[in-house]
Amino acid sequence: GNSVTQMEGPVTLSEEAFLTINCTYTATGYPSLFWYVQYPGEGLQLLLKATKADDKGSNKGFEATYRKETTSFHLEKGSVQVSDSAVYFCAQLYGNKLVFGAGTILRVKS
Amino acid sequence: DAGITQSPRYKITETGRQVTLMCHQTWSHSYMFWYRQDLGHGLRLIYYSAAADITDKGEVPDGYVVSRSKTENFPLTLESATRSQTSVYFCASRGAGPYNEQFFGPGTRLTVL
Repeated sequence: GNSVTQMEGPVTLSEEAFLTINCTYTATGYPSLFWYVQYPGEGLQLLLKATKADDKGSNKGFEATYRKETTSFHLEKGSVQVSDSAVYFCAQLYGNKLVFGAGTILRVKS
Repeated sequence: DAGITQSPRYKITETGRQVTLMCHQTWSHSYMFWYRQDLGHGLRLIYYSAAADITDKGEVPDGYVVSRSKTENFPLTLESATRSQTSVYFCASRGAGPYNEQFFGPGTRLTVL
């Protein structure tokens, strides 16, 4: 069935380090893909999305490219900040519903 | 208040009791969703609704009941709470198109003793 797999965390980085959080999916066809972010004590917020293969979503310095060859949608940021500490969820659109990965905790130290 | 709100934010109850979690949105979004968030599982869909009086099961519906008599409200009821239903519950809503952003409420932390 349709599923999303994310790298396990927590990921701990120093400020200004490069970030990659891996995400792969299984699906029939080419679903739209999303990254959501959850800051402590809050609900999820949409970070970026890509609706077709080879699209690149970007927001707040984060980027992810929809790679159909590798069924991946890895999240990257060139220089993380302490304020980026959060839980990041990769998701795919399956019909009218989002299917989420397990989430990856990111901790950025100053 | 504009947006999507949930109440209560925290709830402690006992096994076997009925509990209702409330969700209210002010955008007149057609779709509303209930998720539970558990460590290691991410978010799992419990129920969703495409419009008033239209609801459908998600991935983990057992033990839960929903209703949607008004577009803006989507309550979730645990008819007889169990310890396994201890979790953080999130409500979400979005407009009719599937690519529309899904907006999440702040969550309800439920503990079943």
